[in-house]
Amino acid sequence: DQQVKQNSPSLSVQEGRISILNCDYTNSMFDYFLWYKKYPAEGPTFLISISSIKDKNEDGRFTVFLNKSAKHLSLHIVPSQPGDSAVYFCAASALEYNQFYFGTGTSLTVIP
Amino acid sequence: DVKVTQSSRYLVKRTGEKVFLECVQDMDHENMFWYRQDPGLGLRLIYFSYDVKMKEKGDIPEGYSVSREKKERFSLILESTSTNQTSMYLCASSSDAMVGMDEQYFGPGTRLTVT
Repeated sequence: DQQVKQNSPSLSVQEGRISILNCDYTNSMFDYFLWYKKYPAEGPTFLISISSIKDKNEDGRFTVFLNKSAKHLSLHIVPSQPGDSAVYFCAASALEYNQFYFGTGTSLTVIP
Repeated sequence: DVKVTQSSRYLVKRTGEKVFLECVQDMDHENMFWYRQDPGLGLRLIYFSYDVKMKEKGDIPEGYSVSREKKERFSLILESTSTNQTSMYLCASSSDAMVGMDEQYFGPGTRLTVT
């Protein structure tokens, strides 16, 4: 049973506009969330994280928002650049768990 | 700069062959992980290890085994490959004792095709 879901398999955005990638989870125990970016033929690389004590975390062009009541997080990329074209995975875990649970990924294409 | 390396980028094997996938990390990390990535399924954990000679099953351990004889090295073994093991295999490592609170560093992946 998929505890972390990314319901949009793909997303296309014009360069310079905002990209919004969404992630939903079902396990209310999750309290730490990560976003990874993956280029073809490479391993995922860590992008940004957020813990449940916050509802927002920013790092440059990347912002992650967490809505605990809705069990929803989103990654905003502003402005989007062609180099952002990749597959984005969200992942969730908790102190009690020995693993992260990954979503199925969203393939972002930024059109020049 | 953390580096996780995997022994092969691409492998083609016949059904029934034995496969070793090796992973090495150079940051003295305690934890190491093996995942497989399949379209529409994301990353799924096969096994992880939190110390030398220690291992824990992940969500999909069937058909796989692992070995961790040295801290920096974690091997995934497919004793008798089947076509449903065709996948991208990703190794990762992390440093914190609290696995669920620490980012993982991934290797470049091994694309295994079983014919």
